[in-house]
Amino acid sequence: DIQMTQSPSTLSASVGDRVTITCRASQSISSWLAWYQQKPGKAPKLLIYKASSLESGVPSRFSGSGSETEFTLTITGLQPDDFATYYCQEYNSYYSGFTFGQGTKLEIK
Amino acid sequence: QLQLVESGGGVVQPGKSLRLSCGASGLTFSTSAMHWVRQAPGRGPEWVALISYNGINTYYTESVKDRFTISRDNSKNTLYLQMNSLTAEDTAVYYCATTKMTTGLDAFDVWGQGTMVTVSS
Repeated sequence: DIQMTQSPSTLSASVGDRVTITCRASQSISSWLAWYQQKPGKAPKLLIYKASSLESGVPSRFSGSGSETEFTLTITGLQPDDFATYYCQEYNSYYSGFTFGQGTKLEIK
Repeated sequence: QLQLVESGGGVVQPGKSLRLSCGASGLTFSTSAMHWVRQAPGRGPEWVALISYNGINTYYTESVKDRFTISRDNSKNTLYLQMNSLTAEDTAVYYCATTKMTTGLDAFDVWGQGTMVTVSS
């Protein structure tokens, strides 16, 4: 299976800040990467697919970039509703495991 | 828009079995590949299994192969996960999810609310 490594594990920030979360794949996954937001007791919510495509209904302050093995999720102008845990996920092939990263918890500073 | 509702979770003893269901409403279940994803307490999500829209093709994560079976009944708009020989490591919230692409090889854009499975004596 492909391994997905996110950094940092925890991120402290303030409302209005710009933050970046990084996700690294153990092998090339082209652009087959998604980003999810999860709040306690809720299912993950899709934010970004195909590395940089914004899911319908997701605010434009969320953006994704990268390809092959290095990817980033950027939130520009943090809002109170954005404090949550974020996961990356690869979907490179049926046999790669649809692996999720270990998560980044975004906390209020 | 497809909506998903899981059921069937509960407390089960190690070595026992449990069957989860995922009911779908909307117009596209019979053309949608479906996934099961689980999340152990305090951990990140872990993909479990995938079934093609017609039920012919199935894929599993290694740790559940030969113990779990994913299936579907398109006439009932329902997805299933039969779980046998359960261990404490299977304790998790189980979600069903689907993708825009009918192949299932895509980001998971629709998720159910999850059902908790606890394996404990």
